[in-house]
Amino acid sequence: DAKTTQPNSMESNEEEPVHLPCNHSTISGTDYIHWYRQLPSQGPEYVIHGLTSNVNNRMASLAIAEDRKSSTLILHRATLRDAAVYYCILRGAPQGGSEKLVFGKGTKLTVNP
Amino acid sequence: GAVVSQHPSWVICKSGTSVKIECRSLDFQATTMFWYRQFPKQSLMLMATSNEGSKATYEQGVEKDKFLINHASLTLSTLTVTSAHPEDSSFYICSAKPWGKGRYTFGSGTRLTVV
Repeated sequence: DAKTTQPNSMESNEEEPVHLPCNHSTISGTDYIHWYRQLPSQGPEYVIHGLTSNVNNRMASLAIAEDRKSSTLILHRATLRDAAVYYCILRGAPQGGSEKLVFGKGTKLTVNP
Repeated sequence: GAVVSQHPSWVICKSGTSVKIECRSLDFQATTMFWYRQFPKQSLMLMATSNEGSKATYEQGVEKDKFLINHASLTLSTLTVTSAHPEDSSFYICSAKPWGKGRYTFGSGTRLTVV
């Protein structure tokens, strides 16, 4: 499974933007970049995913480097409810690739009021 | 849409007994479901891939005879922890992905405590 590297922890202030980095230098051409987050004592929650182009949804934005060896999850205005562990995961293509999600250690985001 | 229901949310059992955890996809069919285990302050560890109508695929180091997985229908997978011991106490989480969708949906998890 292709590996990702994330900082162990990050801190932000409420209502400020947060940029969560992820390095995946061994990514293959068909790997999708997924982001999930997990609040304490809950199952992970989908945040966003992409392949090559930057992606936006109501929760966040995903900026993918041109060489795809890194990506950044952007929370535009952090709230206290965004405090969670954020996981960046590579997932193989549906056809012929592994569909399983393998979690790394993730980044624990603390949001200060 | 794409809701995964996991039951029970918590369970306490005596050492040596077996515990069954259910994972249901409520509004979609899932030919594949995934089972994870998470110890305190650690990440999720993939245990096995549950395949509808066939045997589960277990990750290296996971005892298939201890963690029995059954995926008898397109909406239900079960994980049975057999002869549970205190070291099996953990947070168990299931996941599924609707066909044709990119995102995975996770259950809310089951906290197992073996006493």
